[in-house]
Amino acid sequence: DIQMTQSPSSLSASVGDRVTITCRASQSIASYLNWYQQKPGKAPNLLIFAASSLQSGVPSRFSGSGSGTDFTLTISSLQPEDFATYYCQQSYSTPLTFGGGTKVEIK
Amino acid sequence: EVQLLESGGGLVQPGGSLRLSCAASGFTFSSYAMSWVRQAPGKGLEWVSAISGSDGGTYYADSVKGRFTISRDNSKNTLYLQMNSLRAEDTAIYYCAKLRGAVGGTWFDYWGQGTLVTVSS
Repeated sequence: DIQMTQSPSSLSASVGDRVTITCRASQSIASYLNWYQQKPGKAPNLLIFAASSLQSGVPSRFSGSGSGTDFTLTISSLQPEDFATYYCQQSYSTPLTFGGGTKVEIK
Repeated sequence: EVQLLESGGGLVQPGGSLRLSCAASGFTFSSYAMSWVRQAPGKGLEWVSAISGSDGGTYYADSVKGRFTISRDNSKNTLYLQMNSLRAEDTAIYYCAKLRGAVGGTWFDYWGQGTLVTVSS
């Protein structure tokens, strides 16, 4: 099984900050990496697919990069509505696996 | 508009069974793979199972293999998860999720609101 490791597990940031979350796969997954945002009590929401493609309707301050084993999600200027938990997920092979999540909190 | 509506969750005793349903609308259901993803209280996301849209091929996490069965009725636009031999560690919110294409190489583009399964005596 492919293990997905996210870092950090949590972070505190202020509105307007640039935030970067990393995700590392235990083996190469090419660009089969997706990012989701989840707010408390809500279902996850797709942000980025195929490592760097922005899902329709997602603000352009979100971006993704990477390939192989190392990936990043960047929020260029953190907004109040971005405080949430973020998950990466690989779709290279089954079992599909998620990272442990990164909780972005208000500083 | 894509909608996924789960039902069937509830309280069940260890060793018991439960059947979840997910009613889909707003897209050609038979053309897409579907999946179940769960989230234990206060924990992260865990993929449970998936089923292809075309050939009905099924896939399972090791943690549920042999106990859970995923199926679909394309005539009713409905996805199911039959859960047997339930354990306390199966307690979670179960989300129904649509895959963008096949099971591999794609992403979960739509999610239901989830249904809570609690396994306790």
